[in-house]
Amino acid sequence: EAQVTQNPRYLITVTGKKLTVTCSQNMNHEYMSWYRQDPGLGLRQIYYSMNVEVTDKGDVPEGYKVSRKEKRNFPLILESPSPNQTSLYFCASSLRGQGEKLFFGSGTQLSVL
Amino acid sequence: SQQGEEDPQALSIQEGENATMNCSYKTSINNLQWYRQNSGRGLVHLILIRSNEREKHSGRLRVTLDTSKKSSSLLITASRAADTASYFCANLAKGSNMLTFGGGTRLMVKP
Repeated sequence: EAQVTQNPRYLITVTGKKLTVTCSQNMNHEYMSWYRQDPGLGLRQIYYSMNVEVTDKGDVPEGYKVSRKEKRNFPLILESPSPNQTSLYFCASSLRGQGEKLFFGSGTQLSVL
Repeated sequence: SQQGEEDPQALSIQEGENATMNCSYKTSINNLQWYRQNSGRGLVHLILIRSNEREKHSGRLRVTLDTSKKSSSLLITASRAADTASYFCANLAKGSNMLTFGGGTRLMVKP
């Protein structure tokens, strides 16, 4: 089944403790992206990747890192999480870019205490 | 930055009625997409309409695009309780690599 898989679904952590949210797609998509969703602010893009080893900042990249060493995986890294990064995070992918249909993961609800 | 605005923010209707949601944006676009999100879950793509298209249909969904007014609308006909969800528009501005989402419309369809 074609899908974008995010893990974990829920994560509670403490300020400053490094964490990684994984994202994997099995559709051979070139484009992958991370969004955060906050009440009243909609979805905002954190980082995106047009292909392996190619990443770019979105609207709200501060405090986040990403890597794209393989086509299928696009992990989101919070090296020193802070409470303002408490949010619902989504990974998404498409065949070639943002102008195409995006496939979303199920989301990761992160709470930073 | 959030370029899209959706209207209304919330809509409550009876099963069988039609639901219309509107989306406005600020700059010229290549295309506009509509997505659906069930509570707290991932977004699901509904329709993509290109800047040179004016109307598109998919089942009970009808999307229109008016580039002169920089607006789009999503019509769901003969709504069902299962249509209860949030609906988001997302536009790809010309010359941009970034898809910008609106704030969404929360639709409740009462059985």
